[in-house]
Formats: sequence, C-alpha cells, structure tokens
Amino acid sequence: EDKVVQSPLSLVVHEGDTVTLNCSYEVTNFRSLLWYKQEKKAPTFLFMLTSSGIEKKSGRLSSILDKKELFSILNITATQTGDSAVYLCAVGRDNTDKLIFGTGTRLQVFP
Amino acid sequence: DTGVSQNPRHKITKRGQNVTFRCDPISEHNRLYWYRQTLGQGPEFLTYFQNEAQLEKSRLLSDRFSAERPKGSFSTLEIQRTEQGDSAMYLCAIQLGPRGGYTFGSGTRLTVV
Repeated sequence: EDKVVQSPLSLVVHEGDTVTLNCSYEVTNFRSLLWYKQEKKAPTFLFMLTSSGIEKKSGRLSSILDKKELFSILNITATQTGDSAVYLCAVGRDNTDKLIFGTGTRLQVFP
Repeated sequence: DTGVSQNPRHKITKRGQNVTFRCDPISEHNRLYWYRQTLGQGPEFLTYFQNEAQLEKSRLLSDRFSAERPKGSFSTLEIQRTEQGDSAMYLCAIQLGPRGGYTFGSGTRLTVV
C-alpha cells in the first residue's frame, strides 16, 4: 500500500533557527513529490520535485529529492513566526497525478 | 485568491440530511480533484475528473457520495444521509499545468451534528 511518512510530527523552535523537515515515501509509479504549507485554511503550494539531486529554492525555503533513497527534505533557514504552520509532503503517482499525503509536520516558531 | 472557489465555506447539518458542495475553477482546467481532510491528517484523495469524465473514485467514497462535473468546468460533491464521520474539510484542487503542482480551493468545512 502506498504511504508517505513525515518526521518529526511536531517541531518547536525559536526565531532564527534552521529546521529540516523529512519526508519518506513508498509509492508505486512515482511521478512527483510536492511540499505544501497549511495554516488555518487550504494547503498552499511550495515546491514540486521530480528529479533527484536538484535543489529548489524560494527565499529561505529549499527542498531536494532523493529518488534512490525515496525521501525528500524541506529546509527553512532563519525561521520567522510567520513560518508557523503544518508542512505537508505529498507524492503524485502515475498518470492520474492523484496525491498521497503524509500527516504533516507541525512547526511552531516562537519569538 | 487561489484560482479555485468553493462554496459554501462552512456547512453545519443534522445527521441524515443531504448536503452539496460546489467547486468553481476560475479558468478551464482538464483535471479537477476532490480531497477530504480530517483533523490532524493530511488530505485524502476522493475522486477526480478529466473534463466531464469521472475517472477514479477512492474506496473512501461510499455509495452515499456522488460527484459530478457536467460541463467540464465546475464540479459538485453531494453527500446523502450524512453521518458524523463525514465531518471534515472537503477540498477541491486543480493542476497548475502538465508539470505543475496543484492549487487547492479554500475548502468547505462540514460539521455533522
């Protein structure tokens, strides 16, 4: 059965810290891996990764995929209180592109 | 504005009643997806459409659930004889492009009392 596992489940840090969120997967017919940020509403798209070893960056956020070891990481540097959210990892499979989500990592950033 | 409008934003209903949700992408997209999210969990796939055709339904979608996309644009999700276990956020999503991620609507939060 397809599964996506995220760790840690929860993380509490102070502003300015750097955090690494992990996502491992076992999904047949892998097509892509996506990261989303979710506050008290719908998930907002951060990154989509399809190739191993190519880092994607957006400001203080970056992500990379390892298709051999079946995992991805999301890094956030110099965290801010506005980064507090649940970060969801999802894997898109086969030509349906339906997404299988992990349960998310809840990040809390305190001043 | 996410590019996907969902209505209503919130719905409270009594157990046993029928409810219908609507999803309106602001522009035409071939594929439209429905997901359900319960507290503390990631979204779970329910069903998706390629234009008007409903191509896949999850085992989560019991016979009480039906979805349509009559003209290949907006979509509706109906739940008949609601149960307390149906309480969740129902999310609609479209693909951003053939190699893009999804964008989600703001969702409809259903509470069955």
